[in-house]
Amino acid sequence: GAGVSQSPSNKVTEKGKDVELRCDPISGHTALYWYRQSLGQGLEFLIYFQGNSAPDKSGLPSDRFSAERTGGSVSTLTIQRTQQEDSAVYLCASSPSSRPSGNTIYFGEGSWLTVV
Amino acid sequence: LAKTTQPISMDSYEGQEVNITCSHNNIATNDYITWYQQFPSQGPRFIIQGYKTKVTNEVASLFIPADRKSSTLSLPRVSLSDTAVYYCLVGLSFSGSARQLTFGSGTQLTVLP
Repeated sequence: GAGVSQSPSNKVTEKGKDVELRCDPISGHTALYWYRQSLGQGLEFLIYFQGNSAPDKSGLPSDRFSAERTGGSVSTLTIQRTQQEDSAVYLCASSPSSRPSGNTIYFGEGSWLTVV
Repeated sequence: LAKTTQPISMDSYEGQEVNITCSHNNIATNDYITWYQQFPSQGPRFIIQGYKTKVTNEVASLFIPADRKSSTLSLPRVSLSDTAVYYCLVGLSFSGSARQLTFGSGTQLTVLP
C-alpha cells in the first residue's frame, strides 16, 4: 500500500480481554517497529522486526505482550488480559532494508486502545 | 543506544524562525539524525534527515556540527499550523538493518499569533 496501515483504528475492550492489533507495512519494507504512546507522553519503543525475526524483545512491557510477523510483511501485536494501564495509542512503523543515504521510518496512524 | 535530549517546550510567534536543538553525545559513526513532527492524534511524520554539516529541504534545515554530538532543526517563518511535538531520532544507519530506535521526549512547539 501507499503507507503503513494499522487496524483497528480504535478499540475499546473490557479489562481482562485479549486484543490483537495489526500492522501492514509499506510494501517491500523489511524492518518493522512497534511503539506505544500514552496520552500526552512520548514514544515508547516496544519491539522491532528485521524480516520475520525480532532480535530484541526487551521493550515489551510485560509477558502479556507479544508480537509476531509472518511472510516478512504483516505484523500482529497481541495484548493478553488487558489492563487499564494498557490504554494508549499503539504505533507501527516500517523502513526499507537499505538505502544509499540513510534510512527513514514511516509511521502509521496508530491503533487507539481503551481498556475499560 | 544513542540517547537524545531536547527542550520540553518552546513558544514562538508566527513568522519567526525557530531553532530546536537536540543533544546526542553518544551518537555512533553510522548513525543518521532524523527529525519527526507529530500532531495530536496522528503518527509522527518525517521532516528531515542528515549525517553532517547542513541539510535543507522545502520545510526545514538541519545543522549538524563537526562532532555530531548535537543537531539543530531550523523552521523558517513558522505559522500556527507548525504547532506540534518535534522529535529527534538518532540511530537509523547506512545499512538499514533494524535495531531498537529510541525517541527522546520531544519538544512541544507552540506558535502564537
